[in-house]
Amino acid sequence: NAGVTQTPKFQVLKTGQSMTLQCAQDMNHEYMSWYRQDPGMGLRLIHYSVGAGITDQGEVPNGYNVSRSTTEDFPLRLLSAAPSQTSVYFCASSYSGRGLQETQYFGPGTRLLVL
Amino acid sequence: DAKTTQPNSMESNEEEPVHLPCNHSTISGTDYIHWYRQLPSQGPEYVIHGLTSNVNNRMASLAIAEDRKSSTLILHRATLRDAAVYYCILKGGNEKLTFGTGTRLTIIP
Repeated sequence: NAGVTQTPKFQVLKTGQSMTLQCAQDMNHEYMSWYRQDPGMGLRLIHYSVGAGITDQGEVPNGYNVSRSTTEDFPLRLLSAAPSQTSVYFCASSYSGRGLQETQYFGPGTRLLVL
Repeated sequence: DAKTTQPNSMESNEEEPVHLPCNHSTISGTDYIHWYRQLPSQGPEYVIHGLTSNVNNRMASLAIAEDRKSSTLILHRATLRDAAVYYCILKGGNEKLTFGTGTRLTIIP
């Protein structure tokens, strides 16, 4: 299994540009989520999904859109990039999300720089 | 979600045991205690979890206080590869994992 994969690894955008961060998992997990991590801080939840067709907002959803058309993929869209969105983005997945003993598996991250 | 409190940083000598503390005084009866770690420039990875009893796996041990208001992650023999940020997280009935700032562990050769 490849686990959780993310593309691209690194991206530079200009303010106002749009882009999609890709996330895929091959573990047949229902729960997927996106986090951002700013320097010296912990991870903050942006959006999450408990299954295909179902998404919900996390702690910091503004400026980001998500959709979940398949179990495997959970792309994160930046509609109009701003310098405040410069961060490292992590995608994660787990079996259902609701299990108290469930482990979350994280991707390697995408480093985004918005100029 | 119940909160956890961890020291910002700790240092330990290589090949010595490391005890990473976590306070969670508002833990509910059904919350599991999970530990993740984040190596430099990588995503977090699962370390261990427990409810009431002490737990051991190949990576670490988890000691949970009898009143469950605190726990300690134990690395029995730290190596340089254990240098990371360690997060103590309470997993309740909803789907979300809430990360704090964790403890940055430095291993001294």
